[in-house]
Amino acid sequence: DVKVTQSSRYLVKRTGEKVFLECVQDMDHENMFWYRQDPGLGLRLIYFSYDVKMKEKGDIPEGYSVSREKKERFSLILESASTNQTSMYLCASSPPDRGQGYGYTFGSGTRLTVV
Amino acid sequence: AQKITQTQPGMFVQEKEAVTLDCTYDTSDPSYGLFWYKQPSSGEMIFLIYQGSYDQQNATEGRYSLNFQKARKSANLVISASQLGDSAMYFCAMREGPSNSGYALNFGKGTSLLVTP
Repeated sequence: DVKVTQSSRYLVKRTGEKVFLECVQDMDHENMFWYRQDPGLGLRLIYFSYDVKMKEKGDIPEGYSVSREKKERFSLILESASTNQTSMYLCASSPPDRGQGYGYTFGSGTRLTVV
Repeated sequence: AQKITQTQPGMFVQEKEAVTLDCTYDTSDPSYGLFWYKQPSSGEMIFLIYQGSYDQQNATEGRYSLNFQKARKSANLVISASQLGDSAMYFCAMREGPSNSGYALNFGKGTSLLVTP
């Protein structure tokens, strides 16, 4: 079964720590995405990538960076974790849409708590 | 500005009844795509159905159908014959731009559906 795997289901980190959230997909998808999900706010796009070594800012990139050194791996980095970054983080991947409506395949999410 | 609006934070429906979840969108791009996702309490996001802006017919996938009213910019999800397992959060999302370009989805805030026996 095809998969998007997020390395941790739950994480607890301290304020000021540098945090790495890892996402790996085995579907050879070009596109990868990081969202955060908060109650009442839906999913908000942080960063996305259409190819290796390229990245695009989403709607809420502040306080985050990303890395895509290999096609299958897309990492989200919290440079200095803060309590307002406590959230559920969802990684997703997709092929190019090409009008066929390919949806995203999502990972199971990482629930990050910053204390 | 919010590109996807889901006005129903929560909905109830009785088992075996049909339910409509509302979604309106805002775009000036003639080429776009609309998606619905389901998120059960387990947290996984499940792709349900897709409608392209140039599609002439409403999309259907099993018990799911998308009531696409282009002039009104609405893309409501209709679930027929509701089942207890349909209880979940439902998200409407939109892709803007040509389908052969890279894209990111804008999501609405979601509607929580509870199916009662």
